[in-house]
Amino acid sequence: QQQVKQSPQSLIVQKGGISIINCAYENTAFDYFPWYQQFPGKGPALLIAIRPDVSEKKEGRFTISFNKSAKQFSLHIMDSQPGDSATYFCAASLQGGSEKLVFGKGMKLTVNP
Amino acid sequence: NAGVTQTPKFRVLKTGQSMTLLCAQDMNHEYMYWYRQDPGMGLRLIHYSVGEGTTAKGEVPDGYNVSRLKKQNFLLGLESAAPSQTSVYFCASSSGTSGFIAKNIQYFGAGTRLSVL
Repeated sequence: QQQVKQSPQSLIVQKGGISIINCAYENTAFDYFPWYQQFPGKGPALLIAIRPDVSEKKEGRFTISFNKSAKQFSLHIMDSQPGDSATYFCAASLQGGSEKLVFGKGMKLTVNP
Repeated sequence: NAGVTQTPKFRVLKTGQSMTLLCAQDMNHEYMYWYRQDPGMGLRLIHYSVGEGTTAKGEVPDGYNVSRLKKQNFLLGLESAAPSQTSVYFCASSSGTSGFIAKNIQYFGAGTRLSVL
């Protein structure tokens, strides 16, 4: 049972464009939603995260939009750069013990110069 | 700080062989995790630990065992390797005890690429 569904699986955008990655979750008890960025040959690293009590969080060119009623959240990358080319994972977790993360399947982003 | 260190980086095994993957963290974190990453499957949790001497099963624990005898180390064992265990394995740690934001950040190692022939 996949608890976090991520789409699309891959995306190609031009430099300066907007990249949008969508995720949907099933477990309404999830209360923490991070996005991780992974470059080839490296481990994932936290990019940005949101809690369900806010609808949007922005850090530089990266914005998370959260829709609690629809059980969906998305990552927007503004002014995409070739250096943003990586695999992006959304995740969700349930607080109160182990803070285990359930990851989406990932999306490979390619930003062409 | 080295952060999270995984050894070895690469390994080739024959079916039926055993091996241990070592994860070491120098951040005094309470929580540690082992994931496997397969193409198109994302990251799946194998086992995790919420403190020294504790372990628990994750989403895909079959065929693996773990131990956390020291707070800084988390070992992942394959007793009898199978081709289905060919994957990239990642270890991660998180503080588990700091404020909400800090305790939720998982820090990942660079991974171990394992091939089972």
